[in-house]
Amino acid sequence: EDKVVQSPLSLVVHEGDTVTLNCSYEVTNFRSLLWYKQEKKAPTFLFMLTSSGIEKKSGRLSSILDKKELFSILNITATQTGDSAIYLCAVTSQGGSEKLVFGKGTKLTVNP
Amino acid sequence: EAGVAQSPRYKIIEKRQSVAFWCNPISGHATLYWYQQILGQGPKLLIQFQNNGVVDDSQLPKDRFSAERLKGVDSTLKIQPAKLEDSAVYLCASSLLLQGREQFFGPGTRLTVL
Repeated sequence: EDKVVQSPLSLVVHEGDTVTLNCSYEVTNFRSLLWYKQEKKAPTFLFMLTSSGIEKKSGRLSSILDKKELFSILNITATQTGDSAIYLCAVTSQGGSEKLVFGKGTKLTVNP
Repeated sequence: EAGVAQSPRYKIIEKRQSVAFWCNPISGHATLYWYQQILGQGPKLLIQFQNNGVVDDSQLPKDRFSAERLKGVDSTLKIQPAKLEDSAVYLCASSLLLQGREQFFGPGTRLTVL
C-alpha cells in the first residue's frame, strides 16, 4: 500500500524564519509528488515534482525531489503570517487511477 | 476561470439519516474525484470518475456510500445511513486528464453526524 509520511506534524516559527518541511514516501511505480497548501478547507496546488534534483520555485517557496532516497522537501524562506496553514504532500503512481495518496500534513504556524 | 463548486458548505445530521453532496468541476475537466478528510488526517480518495465512468472506487464504503456523475459533468455523493465516523470534510477535485495533471479542489462540505 502506498504511504506518505510528513514531518514535523506541527511547527511554530516567527516571521522571517526559514522552514523546511519533509515528506518521505513509499509507492509502487511512482509517477509524481505534489505539495498542497490547506488554509481553510480547499487544498491549493503548490508544486508537482516528477524528476529528481530539479528545484521548483515560486516566490519564497521552493521544493525538490530525491527519487533515490524517496523524499521531498518544501522550503519557505522569510516566512509571513499568511504562510500559516497545513502543508500536504501527496504522491501518485503510474497505471490506472491517478488518485492522490496524502500524508497527514504539517501544520505551520507563523507568529508575528 | 471558475473553480470547483460544492454545496452545501456545512451539514449537520443525526446518525442513520441520509445526506447528499453536490460538486460541479471546472469546465472541461474530464476527471472528478471525491475525497474524505477526517480531522487531523490527509484527504483519502473515495471515488474517481473519468467522464461518467468510475475509474477507482476501491475505498468507497459501498454499503452506505454511493456516487454518480450521470452526464459526465457534475456529481453527487450520497451517504445512507450516516454513522458518527462519517463526520469529516468531503472534498471534490477535478483535473483535465487522467494522467499526470494537478487536481484542483473545491471548498469542501463539512459534515457533522450527531
